[in-house]
Amino acid sequence: GENVEQHPSTLSVQEGDSAVIKCTYSDSASNYFPWYKQELGKGPQLIIDIRSNVGEKKDQRIAVTLNKTAKHFSLHITETQPEDSAVYFCAASRNAGNMLTFGGGTRLMVKP
Amino acid sequence: DSGVTQTPKHLITATGQRVTLRCSPRSGDLSVYWYQQSLDQGLQFLIQYYNGEERAKGNILERFSAQQFPDLHSELNLSSLELGDSALYFCASSVDFGPTYEQYFGPGTRLTVT
Repeated sequence: GENVEQHPSTLSVQEGDSAVIKCTYSDSASNYFPWYKQELGKGPQLIIDIRSNVGEKKDQRIAVTLNKTAKHFSLHITETQPEDSAVYFCAASRNAGNMLTFGGGTRLMVKP
Repeated sequence: DSGVTQTPKHLITATGQRVTLRCSPRSGDLSVYWYQQSLDQGLQFLIQYYNGEERAKGNILERFSAQQFPDLHSELNLSSLELGDSALYFCASSVDFGPTYEQYFGPGTRLTVT
C-alpha cells in the first residue's frame, strides 16, 4: 500500500519568514495530494491540494509543488503569521474521493 | 466550519464496553469516511461508505463496525474496547468518490478508554 513520509516533524520560524514542509510517497499510482491544517482541538482543515496533471498550485500565501518523477511534494507558506501555527499533514491517494494516506504531520510554530 | 458534525465530542468509557460514534455529512455529500488519529499511529483510514454501501476498508479492527443510514448519517461502533483504542475519531465527507471530490473533516470525537 501507499506510504507517505513527512519532514520535518517540527518547524519553528520567525513571523514573516517562509516555511517549507516536504513529503514523499511510494505509490506511483497516487495522483491526488491534499494538505490539511489541524489546530488544537479541531479536525483537519483542507487548505490546498494538487493533482498529478499540474506541477504547482498557489493560493495567496500558500503554494504546493509536485515532482511526480521523484515522488515528492512540498508545501510552501510565505510571510508566515502567528495564526499559521498548527500541525500540517500531507496526504496522498489515487483519487480525491478515495482513502487518504497521511504523513506523520509537522508542527509549525511561528514566533512573533 | 466544514459542515460535518460529529457527536459526542468527548466519550469516556471502560475497557470491555461498547460505544457508538455518530457523524452527519455535509449537506449533499454522499460519501462518508472514518479515520482514527492516535499518537503512535497518526491519522489512519478506517472505512468508507457511499450512499449506504461500504466502499473501502482500511486498517479497521474486527471489533469495529460502521454503517451509513438512508438519511446518509453514519455511525461507527467500537466494541470490546481496549486501552489502545483511546484516540480521536474523525469523520469526513465528500460529494462523491471520484477524482475531484475533496474530503472535509468534522471536529472529531475524543474517546478515552480507562
